[in-house]
Amino acid sequence: AQSVTQLGSHVSVSEGALVLLRCNYSSSVPPYLFWYVQYPNQGLQLLLKYTSAATLVKGINGFEAEFKKSETSFHLTKPSAHMSDAAEYFCAVSDGNRDDKIIFGKGTRLHILP
Amino acid sequence: GAVVSQHPSWVICKSGTSVKIECRSLDFQATTMFWYRQFPKQSLMLMATSNEGSKATYEQGVEKDKFLINHASLTLSTLTVTSAHPEDSSFYICSARETQYFGPGTRLLVL
Repeated sequence: AQSVTQLGSHVSVSEGALVLLRCNYSSSVPPYLFWYVQYPNQGLQLLLKYTSAATLVKGINGFEAEFKKSETSFHLTKPSAHMSDAAEYFCAVSDGNRDDKIIFGKGTRLHILP
Repeated sequence: GAVVSQHPSWVICKSGTSVKIECRSLDFQATTMFWYRQFPKQSLMLMATSNEGSKATYEQGVEKDKFLINHASLTLSTLTVTSAHPEDSSFYICSARETQYFGPGTRLLVL
């Protein structure tokens, strides 16, 4: 069975500082990996996804993530945090089939300190 | 780009009534859609996989007789919460196609 583990349910960073949200995955097949963002009382927005092409994936809003098979990780980073980045972030995994379900991590709430 | 819509956005109902939530793919056909539930301050949990023209596949622990799913066309899946109770109050979200397209969600409050 596939799963993702997000380390840290809450992460606080200062505005302008590096954002690092950690995600480790478990999958018996080559995975597809996703990062989503959810603002309060809203749906999900896809930030980026890894689909077995380039291991460094660039997404929207300046975010990027690197797939590291040896570490089974897919951490999300952003060089400089902005106040508008405060939200809930979810890492997710699927087995790569077009119409397959994805499994979500528990989420990490990112707090931006002024 | 592909868009998934949900209706209604908000619904408040009395305990014991049934509520139907619609999920539509607006510019593509979706043979498969997914229904998720999210409780406050928690992650999304997959409830079921909706398959056009056939029965839905439910995840372990999800009551198929309580959460009725119908996927009668390639652009519409419906989730009906039957005999809703306060513990069914949640945020219900559908998705389609490679699961990167999510609907905006439906917030259900059962009084």
